[in-house]
Amino acid sequence: NAGVMQNPRHLVRRRGQEARLRCSPMKGHSHVYWYRQLPEEGLKFMVYLQKENIIDESGMPKERFSAEFPKEGPSILRIQQVVRGDSAAYFCASSPRTRTSGNTIYFGEGSWLTVV
Amino acid sequence: ILNVEQSPQSLHVQEGDSTNFTCSFPSSNFYALHWYRWETAKSPEALFVMTLNGDEKKKGRISATLNTKEGYSYLYIKGSQPEDSATYLCAFIGNQFYFGTGTSLTVIP
Repeated sequence: NAGVMQNPRHLVRRRGQEARLRCSPMKGHSHVYWYRQLPEEGLKFMVYLQKENIIDESGMPKERFSAEFPKEGPSILRIQQVVRGDSAAYFCASSPRTRTSGNTIYFGEGSWLTVV
Repeated sequence: ILNVEQSPQSLHVQEGDSTNFTCSFPSSNFYALHWYRWETAKSPEALFVMTLNGDEKKKGRISATLNTKEGYSYLYIKGSQPEDSATYLCAFIGNQFYFGTGTSLTVIP
């Protein structure tokens, strides 16, 4: 049973380009979370999705950032017109369901975005 | 967005010392609290799932307690070893997972 798979692991983009980060949750998991780790900071919640639904996007910047989790295929975090401040590690996590005692969240190994 | 706070932010201890750190969270709408261990260049891994006020969990030399009424959890490490060096994250589970900023522990041999 493969874990949470993220790709690419490392991505370099020039300012103004688009970045697309993909996350395939663990088999059987229908909930996906995206977190961002900025240098010297902890994990900051960005967005929580279920298949074809955005449940909570309160942590997403209002502009340039979007996320989706289609019926088929991985979840995608998309950053348009990247700026230097977007450079960070982006972690995806999945769980079967949130509100079930004992269910923990499983993380991917992260995607490191560098904007030059 | 909900605030989950951890203190201290970082900690250096000598091998063999015992240590503890704190996670503070809102006491309302509590569903569960998780502790995760995060080593550099790896993904965070779950240590404990705690759901009931007064819960105490233990795994080897690491243990955790939970007080949901006052909104805090303690993580204890007894007889710290260099391999315990990592960042320890707590996550408050309400509508979804809210992580604290972590406590970075360095155990000096």
